[in-house]
Amino acid sequence: SQKIEQNSEALNIQEGKTATLTCNYTNYSPAYLQWYRQDPGRGPVFLLLIRENEKEKRKERLKVTFDTTLKQSLFHITASQPADSATYLCALPTSGTYKYIFGTGTRLKVLA
Amino acid sequence: SAVISQKPSRDICQRGTSLTIQCQVDSQVTMMFWYRQQPGQSLTLIATANQGSEATYESGFVIDKFPISRPNLTFSTLTVSNMSPEDSSIYLCSGGLAGGRGTDTQYFGPGTRLTVL
Repeated sequence: SQKIEQNSEALNIQEGKTATLTCNYTNYSPAYLQWYRQDPGRGPVFLLLIRENEKEKRKERLKVTFDTTLKQSLFHITASQPADSATYLCALPTSGTYKYIFGTGTRLKVLA
Repeated sequence: SAVISQKPSRDICQRGTSLTIQCQVDSQVTMMFWYRQQPGQSLTLIATANQGSEATYESGFVIDKFPISRPNLTFSTLTVSNMSPEDSSIYLCSGGLAGGRGTDTQYFGPGTRLTVL
């Protein structure tokens, strides 16, 4: 079955550094992949979508890469700020449907 | 984009009772989904809410326990029936537009935090 893995351990980094989060998937070749941000007690908020034919996508301080050979996506936040502290989820569409599978998310904490 | 609201935002309920959660979208969406999220866990899809017809449930979820309605393109309800403490969770509604290759973006409501005593 399709499976998504994100590092369940929290990631602590110093303000101003680049945070890199990893999303690995197996048993699937998705047409695209999404990243969401979730704050405590809130619903996820869509950040970026990257398609299989795109190696890299950027939005302000965010950058996402998609390696279909490695079955991996990397999510980068450059010049990180304490306000970036949240849980970041990756999501893949399930094959042949409009539904998504979400990873467990990685909690990021940016230290001032 | 779409803005999604949910009511109630939280509730504390007694075992054996039922709670209906409402989800309202400010624009028409093709797809609406209901998820459950246990503390520290990822989102688990409960069902796809279909307009004017029965919802499509995921494995492990049944209509008798989680009846869902979607009378139009912007509104849906999820009922958690005959509740037990194991139903304590955050329930999330989401909506999206079906693009050429699926719902490219899902918009989520703020969630309903349910505690069952």
